[in-house]
Amino acid sequence: DADVTQTPRNRITKTGKRIMLECSQTKGHDRMYWYRQDPGLGLRLIYYSFDVKDINKGEISDGYSVSRQAQAKFSLSLESAIPNQTALYFCATSDKLALHEQFFGPGTRLTVL
Amino acid sequence: DAKTTQPPSMDCAEGRAANLPCNHSTISGNEYVYWYRQIHSQGPQYIIHGLKNNETNEMASLIITEDRKSSTLILPHATLRDTAVYYCIVDNDYKLSFGAGTTVTVRA
Repeated sequence: DADVTQTPRNRITKTGKRIMLECSQTKGHDRMYWYRQDPGLGLRLIYYSFDVKDINKGEISDGYSVSRQAQAKFSLSLESAIPNQTALYFCATSDKLALHEQFFGPGTRLTVL
Repeated sequence: DAKTTQPPSMDCAEGRAANLPCNHSTISGNEYVYWYRQIHSQGPQYIIHGLKNNETNEMASLIITEDRKSSTLILPHATLRDTAVYYCIVDNDYKLSFGAGTTVTVRA
């Protein structure tokens, strides 16, 4: 969905490096989410934010941090990347008035060597 | 513990209805049933959701059994573009947890 953009789309980095994945949305939604997907598996929730001052851990938050700089922006950071963080990362948004539908970005493919 | 159980794969003929089953025997009273799909490695796409009643929208129909322990997603006229991984999710707090899903292949 072009209303939810993720940068970069692909990234190769080395073990120990700090890396930031960015998500922007033009949908005006207040809720944003970060998920990761490993090959052959479903998505798992890393962090979520219900508004700019609200940050919550998801199912697998260890090794990750997030920042909600504005309603439209939600960044995911890997402070010291490790190979098992190699995955496909998705950002999603939802509207508090239509909570049942989440809109996903195109994904960022991250490889940690 | 997995909240839902889906077959790992299924084939469907183009133009025919595709019926995707999902078991959720431990569903609680306030949990919704959601269906999403993911085409290749794109971001998942919302299809439909329901609580107790059957639901229909422009994409699909959702049939939930009376005891709510299972449901079926129906794609009424499958096309090649419906080839995807379909996820059945049970949730009550809008933080989705995706399992492995069902890989649906629509064949010409």
